[in-house]
Amino acid sequence: KQEVTQIPAALSVPEGENLVLNCSFTDSAIYNLQWFRQDPGKGLTSLLLIQSSQREQTSGRLNASLDKSSGRSTLYIAASQPGDSATYLCAVKSSGYALNFGKGTSLLVTP
Amino acid sequence: EAQVTQNPRYLITVTGKKLTVTCSQNMNHEYMSWYRQDPGLGLRQIYYSMNVEVTDKGDVPEGYKVSRKEKRNFPLILESPSPNQTSLYFCASSLTGGETQYFGPGTRLLVL
Repeated sequence: KQEVTQIPAALSVPEGENLVLNCSFTDSAIYNLQWFRQDPGKGLTSLLLIQSSQREQTSGRLNASLDKSSGRSTLYIAASQPGDSATYLCAVKSSGYALNFGKGTSLLVTP
Repeated sequence: EAQVTQNPRYLITVTGKKLTVTCSQNMNHEYMSWYRQDPGLGLRQIYYSMNVEVTDKGDVPEGYKVSRKEKRNFPLILESPSPNQTSLYFCASSLTGGETQYFGPGTRLLVL
């Protein structure tokens, strides 16, 4: 069964810092990997989707990379802002239709 | 506006009283699924549906039922809820299952 791990579990940074969130998975035979943002009491918002054939995806200040062979993905957030404070979830789609989630990284960006 | 809606958003019930949480999407998606989110356990898939009349179990299907009679709707049924089903439930959809998943706002359920 695919296991997805996110490190760190929580992170606090001052505004303006660049930061990296990590996601690792145990089975490299993935279909795609998706990064989500979850605000307290809210649903999940998709940030970036990387297909297995891709190495990275970018959207604004966000950049996600994928290294299938090592079972890792990183989400890079440039010039962090207080509005970036949320929980960030990594989800891996392997064979079949299941989506396996990590437990998330809780990010706090302080002014 | 493209969206996934869930109702109710909050529900308090008692053990054994049957309940249904509705999920609807307006994006003509084939794939829909249900997840539960619990502290320390993350999001776990309950059931999913590849298209109308086709459903399959996820990681934690015990105590739940689903049906997919129409493409847009995918209700989650708890026939005899128990306190261990107290959780935050999310419905999600995507075009065929391999694309970006769109999530509903969540339903917070408390079973007494």
